[in-house]
Amino acid sequence: QVQLQESGPGLVKPSETLSLTCTVSGVSISDYYWSWIRLPPGKGLEWIGYIYYSGSTNYNPSLKSRVTISVDTSKKQFSLKLSSVTAADTAVYYCARVREGDLDSWGQGTLVSVSS
Amino acid sequence: AIQLTQSPSSLSASVGDRVTITCRASQGIRGALAWYQQKPGKAPKLLIYDASSLESGVPSRFSGSGSGTDFTLTISSLQPEDFATYYCQQFNSYLLTFGGGTKVEIK
Repeated sequence: QVQLQESGPGLVKPSETLSLTCTVSGVSISDYYWSWIRLPPGKGLEWIGYIYYSGSTNYNPSLKSRVTISVDTSKKQFSLKLSSVTAADTAVYYCARVREGDLDSWGQGTLVSVSS
Repeated sequence: AIQLTQSPSSLSASVGDRVTITCRASQGIRGALAWYQQKPGKAPKLLIYDASSLESGVPSRFSGSGSGTDFTLTISSLQPEDFATYYCQQFNSYLLTFGGGTKVEIK
């Protein structure tokens, strides 16, 4: 059974770079696309982007200039970097498996706050 | 980018009620739509994929329908554990999009 676990700092200063990692277990990371999604407080879900094991990516156009998603197949991990963060980037960040376009398995989520 | 508009944004209902949530796409997406349930402090849970296919383990009181631009999620008889926020999500294009969400509250 597939399991995903997010990890990374819970507090990031404004203008710095948010960095998170998702560790995948129970399935080959090479068989699927993998995605990041976030939930800002009081708002709805926002798709950030996804990556294939080959490194091929697609990003939300509204975040594209600040987002980088990468994958390390040897560690069964994929990562998110979001640069130049502001308070608007405060959110619970989730990693998820992309099946046939739907997101069928999710991590538990990790809260990242942007504050000085 | 394809936009998804959910309605209503919130609703109040009683246990046993039939509940319908709609999701409208800004352009045709065939049947490339999923529905999720999210409870406070928890990750979203996939309910419906390909507009009308029930995810394994999801109760049969949940159903989805629609194609093109108009979709619905129906809960045939609302149960206490169904009070949550529901989201639609499209995957017709290479860019994924979520609807704004519908919060289902207890009347």
